[in-house]
Amino acid sequence: GIQVEQSPPDLILQEGANSTLRCNFSDSVNNLQWFHQNPWGQLINLFYIPSGTKQNGRLSATTVATERYSLLYISSSQTTDSGVYFCAVAFSNFGNEKLTFGTGTRLTIIP
Amino acid sequence: DSGVTQTPKHLITATGQRVTLRCSPRSGDLSVYWYQQSLDQGLQFLIQYYNGEERAKGNILERFSAQQFPDLHSELNLSSLELGDSALYFCASSGAPGADEQFFGPGTRLTVL
Repeated sequence: GIQVEQSPPDLILQEGANSTLRCNFSDSVNNLQWFHQNPWGQLINLFYIPSGTKQNGRLSATTVATERYSLLYISSSQTTDSGVYFCAVAFSNFGNEKLTFGTGTRLTIIP
Repeated sequence: DSGVTQTPKHLITATGQRVTLRCSPRSGDLSVYWYQQSLDQGLQFLIQYYNGEERAKGNILERFSAQQFPDLHSELNLSSLELGDSALYFCASSGAPGADEQFFGPGTRLTVL
């Protein structure tokens, strides 16, 4: 099956700093999603981005499908950005649409 | 709010017992997925239903079963519970089969004592 690697595993930053999270995947995909898991355990959709670039406020993401990686950028970090960020991918062919998750990047923002 | 609802939020039970987790997908979504998040295994796909039919299975134990009803809500049944079944169970939904964004419910936290 598809392998998903995320880096770095842990990141500790001061409030206001910028960060880049990386997701590498081992095979072609037609679904790639970024999630934020908050301290209460909720998985919040950030981006659906199988290719290209998207921006949403202080967050943006880029997926280069041909090179099998995606990047999540967080600018001007706030304490509420703390939590675990997951990348998940799928190759669906009107059969199995399961998402395969990476192991996540734990982000801690210090005031 | 993703529009996916799950009940209950928390469940504490004993080994050997049986529990049922419930999920209602977003309005209009036909696919329902179940995922398990445990400390040692991370987030793993369990099973997918599309419009009442099982579509795909992941690493789901034989002690676990699921179904999707005509009103599209789904239930995940866990039986003969073991300590290792303690985890956060998520339901997700999406629209048509194929490449489509999945939206996750708030999860059910199961603790087996």
